Amino acid sequence: DSGVTQTPKHLITATGQRVTLRCSPRSGDLSVYWYQQSLDQGLQFLIQYYNGEERAKGNILERFSAQQFPDLHSELNLSSLELGDSALYFCASSTGTITGELFFGEGSRLTVL
Amino acid sequence: AQRVTQPEKLLSVFKGAPVELKCNYSYSGSPELFWYVQYSRQRLQLLLRHISRESIKGFTADLNKGETSFHLKKPFAQEEDSAMYYCALSDGGSEKLVFGKGTKLTVNP
Repeated sequence: DSGVTQTPKHLITATGQRVTLRCSPRSGDLSVYWYQQSLDQGLQFLIQYYNGEERAKGNILERFSAQQFPDLHSELNLSSLELGDSALYFCASSTGTITGELFFGEGSRLTVL
Repeated sequence: AQRVTQPEKLLSVFKGAPVELKCNYSYSGSPELFWYVQYSRQRLQLLLRHISRESIKGFTADLNKGETSFHLKKPFAQEEDSAMYYCALSDGGSEKLVFGKGTKLTVNP
């Protein structure tokens, strides 16, 4: 499957801990986006990378950070976790040339206890 | 600030009935609007974009700048249309999308 791949699919951890979510974009896509979907909330844009560089930033908390590596995969690091960080985290990728055409992964469901 | 509002969290219609999913946006410039759909156990995927003025799976959406709306319509709903629908906006200057909270459409037999 050459689609967007996210790992892990599910993650349960405790408050105060740190986790890393991983995303591999579609083959050939240079842009990676991270979105957070909390209960009863829509998709909240966190951050975008294009070819290794940060392109746009949304309402991403200081406790969260991301990066895109030379092989174009991306990681979202969430630290000092709080109960409210429990959410579905989506990664999406695009070529970066066609506005609005994002290809989404299946998401990583994070539960903070 | 950019904002997308989908006033209906849930929408239920019968098969063969017309369906309209509402989307209103707030943006001062010239937005680009999109509809994304997530079928059960599938990934979120692009359904259509206003700039293409296309009909996908029988769905159409017209951008009304006067009413700042981009409602999604289909004249005859099918059971396979049951899904979660998200309206999204791009400011054109960036590639990121701002999404609404979504509307869950259920088409009953």
